Amino acid sequence: EDQVTQSPEALRLQEGESSSLNCSYTVSGLRGLFWYRQDPGKGPEFLFTLYSAGEEKEKERLKATLTKKESFLHITAPKPEDSATYLCAVQGSSSNTGKLIFGQGTTLQVKP
Amino acid sequence: DAGITQSPRHKVTETGTPVTLRCHQTENHRYMYWYRQDPGHGLRLIHYSYGVKDTDKGEVSDGYSVSRSKTEDFLLTLESATSSQTSVYFCAISVKQVVNEQYFGPGTRLTVT
Repeated sequence: EDQVTQSPEALRLQEGESSSLNCSYTVSGLRGLFWYRQDPGKGPEFLFTLYSAGEEKEKERLKATLTKKESFLHITAPKPEDSATYLCAVQGSSSNTGKLIFGQGTTLQVKP
Repeated sequence: DAGITQSPRHKVTETGTPVTLRCHQTENHRYMYWYRQDPGHGLRLIHYSYGVKDTDKGEVSDGYSVSRSKTEDFLLTLESATSSQTSVYFCAISVKQVVNEQYFGPGTRLTVT
């Protein structure tokens, strides 16, 4: 059974204090691992797709990396506007219709 | 912006009443999805559609039905709402076929009293 676990559940950082969020997964043949950002009261906003181990993608202060068992979302010198819940999802090769399995998210708070 | 709108954005209804939520897209994507999001459970797939009149069940489909008579509209119906269906409902569309990047609508907050 495909499964996604995110840690920690919540993370508080001071502005400028870099850190990483973890997404551990088990899936029968990874087609894609996805990161989303969700602000309170809004729908998830797509950030990245990672396809294979060793791949990295960057956007502003965010960098996502992927291994065969987990993905990290590195946040460098975060700002208060980076505060949000970050969701990870996977799509396995058995999913021809594109079903995604989501983790429960990490809620990040960045204090000025 | 994937051109997804949901209506209504907020709704309060009573137990036992029927409720229909609408998802509308402007870009003719083939795949559309309905999720619910609850604390402690994350996003869970209710139903999805892979074309007009082509739909299938997700992991939490009991108590829900869907219809898709036009490419741009995907309707979610609660035939007889229960308090356990109080949730935030999100519609999503897929922009790729093989690797499924999904883009989400703004959500509908439903409260069943």
